[in-house]
Amino acid sequence: DQQVKQNSPSLSVQEGRISILNCDYTNSMFDYFLWYKKYPAEGPTFLISISSIKDKNEDGRFTVFLNKSAKHLSLHIVPSQPGDSAVYFCAASTGANSKLTFGKGITLSVRP
Amino acid sequence: NAGVTQTPKFQVLKTGQSMTLQCAQDMNHEYMSWYRQDPGMGLRLIHYSVGAGITDQGEVPNGYNVSRSTTEDFPLRLLSAAPSQTSVYFCASGSGGRSGNTIYFGEGSWLTVV
Repeated sequence: DQQVKQNSPSLSVQEGRISILNCDYTNSMFDYFLWYKKYPAEGPTFLISISSIKDKNEDGRFTVFLNKSAKHLSLHIVPSQPGDSAVYFCAASTGANSKLTFGKGITLSVRP
Repeated sequence: NAGVTQTPKFQVLKTGQSMTLQCAQDMNHEYMSWYRQDPGMGLRLIHYSVGAGITDQGEVPNGYNVSRSTTEDFPLRLLSAAPSQTSVYFCASGSGGRSGNTIYFGEGSWLTVV
């Protein structure tokens, strides 16, 4: 039973346009959500996070939106750059701990 | 990935062999964990530790042992390797707080079991 779902395996966007990466979750106990970016042959690196008490968090070109009623979050990248091409993982946790449950990831390709 | 060191980077094992993946962090983090990444499966938690002397199972613990004798080290042991354990393994550490940017991953260990 997958508790964090990234249903689209890949996304391709034009440089300069917006990238929207979606994530759904089923466990209502999750109260902290994170996005990680991963390049080939490297470990995941933290990108942005959001607490369940918020519905939006912004950091530069990256914005995460949380819709608790729909158990849905999305990562917006504006404007998209070729260097953003990577695998993006959505992750969730419960309580004040670092035990993360990950989605399967989505491969983003940004075309020059 | 600064602060979390994994060794070895690459390893080939024969079925039935044992080995230990090493993980060390120098950030004095209480929380450490091991994940495996398989194609189309994302990252799955194997074992984790919330401090020295304390370990617990994650989502896919079978075939793996861990121990946490010091804050810095969290080795992952494969007692009898199986082809199903062919994967990329990531060690992570964090302060146990709510801020995601306190969770750091190592660069990964590629393991092939033949």
